[in-house]
This record gives sequence, C-alpha cells and structure tokens, in this order.
Amino acid sequence: DIQMTQSPSSLSASVRDRVTITCRASQGIYNYLAWYQQKPGKVPKLLIYAASTLQSGVPSRFSGSGSGTDFTLTISSLQPEDVATYYCQKYNSAPRTFGQGTKVEIK
Amino acid sequence: QVQLQESGPGLVKPSGTLSLTCAVSGDSISNITWWTWVRQPPGKGLEWIGEIYHSGSTNYNPSLESRVTFSVDKSKNQFSLKLTSLTAADTAVYYCAQQYSSLLISWGQGKLVTVSS
Repeated sequence: DIQMTQSPSSLSASVRDRVTITCRASQGIYNYLAWYQQKPGKVPKLLIYAASTLQSGVPSRFSGSGSGTDFTLTISSLQPEDVATYYCQKYNSAPRTFGQGTKVEIK
Repeated sequence: QVQLQESGPGLVKPSGTLSLTCAVSGDSISNITWWTWVRQPPGKGLEWIGEIYHSGSTNYNPSLESRVTFSVDKSKNQFSLKLTSLTAADTAVYYCAQQYSSLLISWGQGKLVTVSS
C-alpha cells in the first residue's frame, strides 16, 4: 500500500508569513491528492483536490502544487484563522490513506 | 445538503464489538457515491477505515480488514460499522462521511468511542 508522509509534523509561524507543508507519496499517485484542514475541535474540511484545485469558498491564500509523489500546500500569508492541522490524502484508489498531519500554530 | 449523524454506544469493553450507525438525510444512500468511515484517536491524526457502496461493495483499510465489517440499510437510509476484538488503541472519534468523486465532502460530527472496562 502507498504511504503518505507529511513534513513538518508541526510548525509555528508569524501572521502574514508564507507557510509550506510537504506531502510525499511512497509511489506515484498522479495528481490524486487532496488537502484537508481540521481546526481544533472541528470536523475536517476539504481545502484542495486534484493537487491544486481550490474547493469552493476556500481563500485564495491557499494553494497546492505537485504531481506524482511530491506535493505541497502553501499558505501565502498566514492568518490567525488558519490555525489548524492539515492532512494530505491520496484518493486515486483504496486504501485512501491520510498523511499524519501538520499542526500549524501562530508564533 | 446532505447531513450525516453517527450514533451508537460511547463506551465499549475491551475484546468487545463496536457498532456505529450513520444516518443520512438530504440525500439517498443509493445515489452514485461511496460512504466512508474515518477515525481519529484523541490527539492523533486521521485514519481511513474504509468505504461502502450502496450495492454492498466494500474497501477496507488492510490494517483493520480482519476486524471490520460495513453494511448498508437502504430502507433506513443509513450505513453501519462493526469493529471486533477491541483494545484501548481503538478509542477514537469515529466519523462517517460522504464521498463525491472520491473526495470527502460531507462529514458527520463524529462519535467518541472509548474502549475501557
């Protein structure tokens, strides 16, 4: 089965900083990569799919890139409301594995 | 907009069986979509448990496959999860979700299940 590895596991950045999270698949998954945001105490929410397509309503400061095995989620200007844990997920086929998550905090 | 609601016991004994149901409203469980279970141990990440189609076809996480069973009840517009041989490691918030094009678009609020004697 394909494993999904995120880095870093956590980060602390200042408001308006640019933040980048990496997700690596152990085998190629084309662009079948989604990013989910889970705010503290809340249900996960789909942010990005097809590696780079923003879900409706997601602020444009979020962006995604990559294909094959290496993917990134970028927040161009970190805002206080972006404090959350971010998960990547492969969805090309089952098992639709999640990465272990990256916790983003404000410095 | 579809709504999903998990229900079932919040406390189960070690070596016992966890049974949860996800009630679907605002959509038919027989639509062309897969229905998914995800769990999250306290303070930890998301784990994909598996998915079921209204026909009964299933895909399970290989790490849980020997202990998990999904089912669909079309008459009640709901689907269910059974997980056997429980240990403390199965303590988690269990989420049901609806897939759209393999993406988890709609989620239930989650049900905390604690495995303890």
